[in-house]
Amino acid sequence: GNSVTQMEGPVTLSEEAFLTINCTYTATGYPSLFWYVQYPGEGLQLLLKATKADDKGSNKGFEATYRKETTSFHLEKGSVQVSDSAVYFCALSLYNNNDMRFGAGTRLTVKP
Amino acid sequence: SAVISQKPSRDICQRGTSLTIQCQVDSQVTMMFWYRQQPGQSLTLIATANQGSEATYESGFVIDKFPISRPNLTFSTLTVSNMSPEDSSIYLCSVEDPGRGGYTFGSGTRLTVV
Repeated sequence: GNSVTQMEGPVTLSEEAFLTINCTYTATGYPSLFWYVQYPGEGLQLLLKATKADDKGSNKGFEATYRKETTSFHLEKGSVQVSDSAVYFCALSLYNNNDMRFGAGTRLTVKP
Repeated sequence: SAVISQKPSRDICQRGTSLTIQCQVDSQVTMMFWYRQQPGQSLTLIATANQGSEATYESGFVIDKFPISRPNLTFSTLTVSNMSPEDSSIYLCSVEDPGRGGYTFGSGTRLTVV
């Protein structure tokens, strides 16, 4: 079936450190891939997306590249801030965004 | 992209009672999705709600426990019935966001059953 495997957390970094959160997927077709962010006490917000192989999604300094050969969509940021502390979810969808599947989530804490 | 108003934002309920969660969207949408996020876990799809037809439930979720209404293209409710402490979760509604891709989510309802 279609699924997402996400790096387990929690992840604790110092401000300005480099961030990588790994995400790999299994899908029967050609999924669209997403990263969502959930700040404390809030719902999920779309952070970035990529819809085909080699696409790079980017937003707010975060980037992720759709790698078909490694079935991966790792999230990266060159210099994290305290305000980036949140839970990050990798997700995929097929069939025109129906049936969205989420990873387990990775909690990031950034310390000043 | 669509804006979703979800309420209540949180509630503490007695076991055996029911809670109805409402989601209002500022535009017409074909499908609305209801998710559950148990403490420290990811999101699990409960059901998909289409206007004018019965909701489609995922494995492990049944209509008697989680009845859903979808009276029009901008509104839906999810009821958590005969609650037990195991129902303590965050419940989220969402809709497709064709302009940006992916889904837009409501802010969630944090339910605690005591």
